[in-house]
Amino acid sequence: TQLLEQSPQFLSIQEGENLTVYCNSSSVFSSLQWYRQEPGEGPVLLVTVVTGGEVKKLKRLTFQFGDARKDSSLHITAAQPGDTGLYLCAGERVNRKLIWGLGTSLAVNP
Amino acid sequence: GAVVSQHPSWVICKSGTSVKIECRSLDFQATTMFWYRQFPKQSLMLMATSNEGSKATYEQGVEKDKFLINHASLTLSTLTVTSAHPEDSSFYICSARQTDNYGYTFGSGTRLTVV
Repeated sequence: TQLLEQSPQFLSIQEGENLTVYCNSSSVFSSLQWYRQEPGEGPVLLVTVVTGGEVKKLKRLTFQFGDARKDSSLHITAAQPGDTGLYLCAGERVNRKLIWGLGTSLAVNP
Repeated sequence: GAVVSQHPSWVICKSGTSVKIECRSLDFQATTMFWYRQFPKQSLMLMATSNEGSKATYEQGVEKDKFLINHASLTLSTLTVTSAHPEDSSFYICSARQTDNYGYTFGSGTRLTVV
């Protein structure tokens, strides 16, 4: 059973377009973390959201944590080829265990 | 920021041999480290939680006698793949967390190929 549903799994868009990645669960998380991974490397933390309703911005990336702390979204504005990569969401349970989404493989074409 | 160093970055070994992968926290102490396995373009699969000074906790379906974990110090955890087979070929990644206020820091991963 996948406890954290991440969608879409694959996304191919043109440079300049906007996109949103979703992570949804029926479980409440103490925090929700977003990572980006390049091929052949480990994931790199982008942001951690902790408070229900929290919104964090990182340049063209906007992260939102749902009010009930069960879901989160990542919105990228005016995507660039450098945004290409695998985006992973991970929810942290109260026992500190991370529940991972399946990942979104993003390709931004010039 | 916190740095986790993982070595080797890639290794090729023959079937039946053992391979050791090291994971070091360079500028912080990590009482707990995590070992993951990842298949191409897929998410991370937690294999085990490595605890300093005690036995590792393995996830369901992971053979503890095949994937030996040793966490002998606060900055080093090792994963040894014993009697490797081609189906063990994968990308192995370790992670640790510096404090309770931050996300996890990952090593750069180890690409294991068993021939």
